Amino acid sequence: DTGVSQNPRHKITKRGQNVTFRCDPISEHNRLYWYRQTLGQGPEFLTYFQNEAQLEKSRLLSDRFSAERPKGSFSTLEIQRTEQGDSAMYLCASSPGGSGDFTDTQYFGPGTRLTVL
Amino acid sequence: AQSVTQPDIHITVSEGASLELRCNYSYGATPYLFWYVQSPGQGLQLLLKYFSGDTLVQGIKGFEAEFKRSQSSFNLRKPSVHWSDAAEYFCAVGAHAGNMLTFGGGTRLMVKP
Repeated sequence: DTGVSQNPRHKITKRGQNVTFRCDPISEHNRLYWYRQTLGQGPEFLTYFQNEAQLEKSRLLSDRFSAERPKGSFSTLEIQRTEQGDSAMYLCASSPGGSGDFTDTQYFGPGTRLTVL
Repeated sequence: AQSVTQPDIHITVSEGASLELRCNYSYGATPYLFWYVQSPGQGLQLLLKYFSGDTLVQGIKGFEAEFKRSQSSFNLRKPSVHWSDAAEYFCAVGAHAGNMLTFGGGTRLMVKP
């Protein structure tokens, strides 16, 4: 068990550019979550996958944001036309829970820190 | 909608002293409650969780938390703090559907030698 991994760990981009982050969950974990954490705040939920199906999206996830988990394994989060307000830590978490299991535990990756200049 | 409040933004304690971090939640049904710790440059590490049963739960690193339904609280405690406990602590409540977590704003713990 190598834990949740995220790449890159840091990303600096210019306003208006597109960026993509990758998350590799713990092997055989069915659920995968994305959160955003701004400086001095707690993480905020963005979206969640049960296997390859995206089941929930926060209102924080504007149409510039898209997430995929094509084969139910790794996931990508893309931000198009980045804005300075997108600067944050993007956290990925996975959990083993199957459908109908509401009590499993999320394990977090180290995050990708995005800076938009 | 669910919410979590951590009233103390910063707390400083002396090494060896006891610690209590406060957490109040708002949730319409039986809450699933969690405490996570985040060290600089690190991801969130789960300290403990409460789903049901005994309201006093034990976690890792000598931490414990007590669920008090009447007070809508889930305070984190440790009898003797170590310098390595300096970090940011987050309380979270999980929703039933999908278990997406709602986090509090965090409490930054500093430990004096």
